[in-house]
Amino acid sequence: KAGVTQTPRYLIKTRGQQVTLSCSPISGHRSVSWYQQTPGQGLQFLFEYFSETQRNKGNFPGRFSGRQFSNSRSEMNVSTLELGDSALYLCASSWLAESLGELFFGEGSRLTVL
Amino acid sequence: AQTVTQSQPEMSVQEAETVTLSCTYDTSENNYYLFWYKQPPSRQMILVIRQEAYKQQNATENRFSVNFQKAAKSFSLKISDSQLGDTAMYFCAFMGNAGNMLTFGGGTRLMVKP
Repeated sequence: KAGVTQTPRYLIKTRGQQVTLSCSPISGHRSVSWYQQTPGQGLQFLFEYFSETQRNKGNFPGRFSGRQFSNSRSEMNVSTLELGDSALYLCASSWLAESLGELFFGEGSRLTVL
Repeated sequence: AQTVTQSQPEMSVQEAETVTLSCTYDTSENNYYLFWYKQPPSRQMILVIRQEAYKQQNATENRFSVNFQKAAKSFSLKISDSQLGDTAMYFCAFMGNAGNMLTFGGGTRLMVKP
């Protein structure tokens, strides 16, 4: 059974550009959530989608957005990139609406903003 | 809002010995879940152990056990018979009743020495 797949794994952008990250959950999983991991701020929740609906959103500016498709694949977009957006972006999936913490994480997309 | 605090940024332990990682949290919710996640170097985050707040009995998973003190809002992880493969970042995390949204502590970097 394939795990959570995130693409691209590594990318470099410059300030002001935008970026789209993709997450393919484990087959059958309907919940996808996104986290930003940085050395300074640690792991912070971005947003969660379940059956194409955003259920929760973290405390991030509107430059951060996401969506989920009917096949449960999810994308997140960051517009007008800033240096502080450099981070490891983790995606996690679960097949339950209430997973009780049983989230399956991908390896992440490491974004560097120059 | 809830907060999770891990006061030990780094720890080390000799192989085969026991180590305890500390975690405290703050919440106004009565029903919630607490977790320890492990993030090995350059590998996916995986769930180590889960504790339901309504259960008084401490959770155990093989060499991993927790000491859950609800009144003190403390949730420590004990690793017995430490193995080299236990070397990783360990994150304490909280989940309330708002879907699959985790609040993480800052992490403890554990090194197991041969």
